[in-house]
Order: sequence, then structure tokens, then C-alpha cells
Amino acid sequence: AQSVTQPDIHITVSEGASLELRCNYSYGATPYLFWYVQSPGQGLQLLLKYFSGDTLVQGIKGFEAEFKRSQSSFNLRKPSVHWSDAAEYFCAVGVPDTGNQFYFGTGTSLTVIP
Amino acid sequence: KAGVTQTPRYLIKTRGQQVTLSCSPISGHRSVSWYQQTPGQGLQFLFEYFSETQRNKGNFPGRFSGRQFSNSRSEMNVSTLELGDSALYLCASRQDPSYGYTFGSGTRLTVV
Repeated sequence: AQSVTQPDIHITVSEGASLELRCNYSYGATPYLFWYVQSPGQGLQLLLKYFSGDTLVQGIKGFEAEFKRSQSSFNLRKPSVHWSDAAEYFCAVGVPDTGNQFYFGTGTSLTVIP
Repeated sequence: KAGVTQTPRYLIKTRGQQVTLSCSPISGHRSVSWYQQTPGQGLQFLFEYFSETQRNKGNFPGRFSGRQFSNSRSEMNVSTLELGDSALYLCASRQDPSYGYTFGSGTRLTVV
């Protein structure tokens, strides 16, 4: 069965520090990969996506993610975190042979310390 | 382009009642999915509709149902509400399966 793992439930970083959020997936082939961000009481906003091609993808708000096939990972990074980045982050995979049904990770809550 | 619109934003219902939530997708998006989000269970997939047909269904009881209209607008219905149905219900639309979803702001349902 397909699964998405975000091993870090909660991360705290200082403003200006770098950030890396981990995501691993379990699927036989390469799925479509996504990162979403959710602010309290809001819906999810798409940060970036990977379908194919260059394994380093750029997204909005200065975020990037790198797909590593050998590690079945799609980690999200940001070189310098801003206080407004505090939110919940979700990794998701779209599985082509299920009509691209989405599977979400359990999320990582990010706290930013001034 | 208008985003995904969900109505109402907040809803309080009593146990045993039923509720209908509405979702208007982005114009041109034919796929609409519904998710339930709770602190304990995270994001759980309810169902997906594409061109008025249910394409995928999550592991929820039959009390949860949905439909999609010819204009791609979708509704979900929950009958015989239970306290555990209190959650944020998110609707998301996409142009076709190869695209990511665009989410609405959700409907916060509280069952008392």
C-alpha cells in the first residue's frame, strides 16, 4: 500500500536559520510529489510539485525541494526562514495507477523563534 | 480566477442531524475531492468526483456521501451526525489527474 511519512511531527527553528522538512514515500514507481502549507484555520496552499525532469524544484515563498529516487524522498528546504513561515507543512503523493489519488503525510508543524 | 469556494465556513449541528456542505471548484476544474481533517487523524480522503462520477472513495461509513453536478460544483452530505464528525472539511479541485489540487478554506463543522 502507498504511504507517505513525515518523520518530524514538530520542528522549531530560529528566524533566519535554514530549514529542511523530511518526506519519504512508499510506492513502486515514481509518483507525483507535492508540498503544501496550511496556516491555522485555513485550507492548504500548494508550495511546489514534482512530476518529472529536474529533481530540484523551486516553489513559492523561497521554498525548494529535491527528489531523490534512491531514497524515496522529497525533502523541502528553505535557506532562511521568516517568522511568517510558521505553519503546518504536508507532503503528498499522487499515485498514477489510482487515477492520481492523493496520499498525505501526517504533517510537520513549524515554529519560528524570533 | 476565483479560487475554490466552500460554504458555509462554520457550522454547528446537533448529534443525529444531517448536514450538507457545498464546494464550487475553480472554473474549468472537473475533478473535486473532499477531505476530513482532525487533530487526531490528520487529512483523510473522503471521495473524489470527476465529471459527475465518483472515481475514488475513502474508508468512511455510508453516512458520508457526495455528488457532483454538471457544472462541477459538488456537495457532501453527512447523515446522523456523531460527535466524532466534528472536523474541518476541505474541498479541493484540479484540472485533471496530472495536476495538484487547489484547496478551499474549508468548512468547520462542530457537532454538539
